[in-house]
Amino acid sequence: QITLKESGPTQVKPTQTLTLTCTFSGFSLSSTGEAVAWIRQPPGKALEWLAFTYWDDDKHYSPSLKSRLNISKDTSRNQVVLTMTSMDPVDTGTYFCVHLAVSAYYLDYWGQGILVTVSS
Amino acid sequence: SYVLTQPPSVSVAPGTTATITCGGDKIGTKSVHWYQQKPGQAPLLVIYYRNDRPSGIPDRFSGSNSGNTATLTINRVDAGDEADYYCQVWDSSNSHIVFGGGTKLTVL
Repeated sequence: QITLKESGPTQVKPTQTLTLTCTFSGFSLSSTGEAVAWIRQPPGKALEWLAFTYWDDDKHYSPSLKSRLNISKDTSRNQVVLTMTSMDPVDTGTYFCVHLAVSAYYLDYWGQGILVTVSS
Repeated sequence: SYVLTQPPSVSVAPGTTATITCGGDKIGTKSVHWYQQKPGQAPLLVIYYRNDRPSGIPDRFSGSNSGNTATLTINRVDAGDEADYYCQVWDSSNSHIVFGGGTKLTVL
């Protein structure tokens, strides 16, 4: 059974860097064909893809946020880390860590999400 | 970049059929995936690939896709289906995941 859980700060100040950790179980990111994505959702708004990493360390980013994002993996700890720089109040929202099924690129297992508020 | 367009809201009476559309350029050539999200919860995959349902999703949920429109159909709608629904595709031209803007399904 695949499970994922996000952890990190629930509040950051404007201009700070956000670091979120996804800890997962039920699969290994060192196995061929595995991938993990980050999705976010501002309050009352739509889902937005941020980034994902493949098992082979290939990474892809949302073009609108690429300059601010970095995704990395620690296969020994079964973790994926997302950093987002220059946080702004518009970045307030729930951040989800999700298993990406690369057979057809759908998101089949979601973490519960973590609500991050950007405020001074 | 690839754009998916969904109606903001759809309202239906209980026991009837809900259809939620997702428009995109030549979307019929892509696999379209659908998610259900209830308030305060993470999204739940309800339809993926051509018209597959994950374990536990009732067969009242189905998907179709042709031309420039994909459709999620929910038969015999009940109050428990009230939620936001999102479509999603893979834009292989630049390796991006793309979501539609979401549709709020209201059961009258």
